[in-house]
Amino acid sequence: DAGVIQSPRHEVTEMGQEVTLRCKPISGHNSLFWYRQTMMRGLELLIYFNNNVPIDDSGMPEDRFSAKMPNASFSTLKIQPSEPRDSAVYFCASRDTSGGRDEQFFGPGTRLTVL
Amino acid sequence: GDSVTQMEGPVTLSEEAFLTINCTYTATGYPSLFWYVQYPGEGLQLLLKATKADDKGSNKGFEATYRKETTSFHLEKGSVQVSDSAVYFCALSGNTGFQKLVFGTGTRLLVSP
Repeated sequence: DAGVIQSPRHEVTEMGQEVTLRCKPISGHNSLFWYRQTMMRGLELLIYFNNNVPIDDSGMPEDRFSAKMPNASFSTLKIQPSEPRDSAVYFCASRDTSGGRDEQFFGPGTRLTVL
Repeated sequence: GDSVTQMEGPVTLSEEAFLTINCTYTATGYPSLFWYVQYPGEGLQLLLKATKADDKGSNKGFEATYRKETTSFHLEKGSVQVSDSAVYFCALSGNTGFQKLVFGTGTRLLVSP
């Protein structure tokens, strides 16, 4: 398996633009997580899905952020409009909760820079 | 709510030195405990885990023991290598409901030759 796939790996955009980050979880995993990592705030959980259903979005910073999981193999995190303070590395992770396994597998991340 | 506290870094060591990175937690019930490692430019990857009290997780020479009495899960390695330089995250997962991970702030380890 190729692991969790994220695209793009790097994104540079201007303030006010819409940004869409994409994630393909590991096939067969039924939970998906979006994290944001910055020097100031460390690693923050934004939202997570179980069986494509959003379970907890309390970490989403504000209405400018939205996430979807239309099917088991794809998720998006959208920021509209983007702001410089959104600059961070965004990680997607997936987990297989069947059989008592609880390891999360992380993607390589998308480094977002908002100018 | 659940939380994880780990020592601030960076931790700077010479090759072959002994490593300890402290981690304590606050949680209801009996969480599972994890150490994740993040190498430069990469995502986090699971290093080791323990799911119940007195369990010892181990991998690549690293060890950590689940101590319920002290609510701790300290990471140790007897002899570090330059390639161990990374950021190490302690985390817990509750055992009720949808078990999201709660991470500590991470500890950067720098190993010099």
